[in-house]
Amino acid sequence: GAGVSQTPSNKVTEKGKYVELRCDPISGHTALYWYRQSLGQGPEFLIYFQGTGAADDSGLPNDRFFAVRPEGSVSTLKIQRTERGDSAVYLCASSSSGRGPTGELFFGEGSRLTVL
Amino acid sequence: AQSVAQPEDQVNVAEGNPLTVKCTYSVSGNPYLFWYVQYPNRGLQFLLKYITGDNLVKGSYGFEAEFNKSQTSFHLKKPSALVSDSALYFCAVRSSSNTGKLIFGQGTTLQVKP
Repeated sequence: GAGVSQTPSNKVTEKGKYVELRCDPISGHTALYWYRQSLGQGPEFLIYFQGTGAADDSGLPNDRFFAVRPEGSVSTLKIQRTERGDSAVYLCASSSSGRGPTGELFFGEGSRLTVL
Repeated sequence: AQSVAQPEDQVNVAEGNPLTVKCTYSVSGNPYLFWYVQYPNRGLQFLLKYITGDNLVKGSYGFEAEFNKSQTSFHLKKPSALVSDSALYFCAVRSSSNTGKLIFGQGTTLQVKP
């Protein structure tokens, strides 16, 4: 597709359940990022992939959060044993690695997660 | 460690007047600086970036930003504001020594009144 696609756009779940959020980056972009945005806050970095490998996962808040990108394209953010504090908009972005650190990120519209 | 500060939660300006949204940063190494805009219930859209060279960079929708190394600032500006510019604006920084994560500020809401 033309842009970064995220599914689902909205997810409501109960505390303790498992959730998967999917991101389909811009075709050809090898760098992929996950951010979390709470109401009234700036995006908070979670994890960054370069190809299939996680180059920096320092932003993952705890071991309930995990992300994969097995073929270097689509990525899935997985949250186990969800808590109410996990409620936020999860943003995915991709970037062309050909530009290295000077390249801007292109964001999807996000997946809004609500944990009841 | 990288960090970004946007000291104003909200900026109010009348349509047709110039606007400034402030941003200061802290980073080791040379900074790469970015501005993004977010409209309600939408993803972030890239506006402009500073990498090197001329301190005044121009971007989308008539916006520009001025890099000031001595003041570690990267303020967003526009000579004449439009009501449609009303949105949430984020400044972000990446270090030249860290090719990965982009760190965002807390955001500034711009309100342009007719």
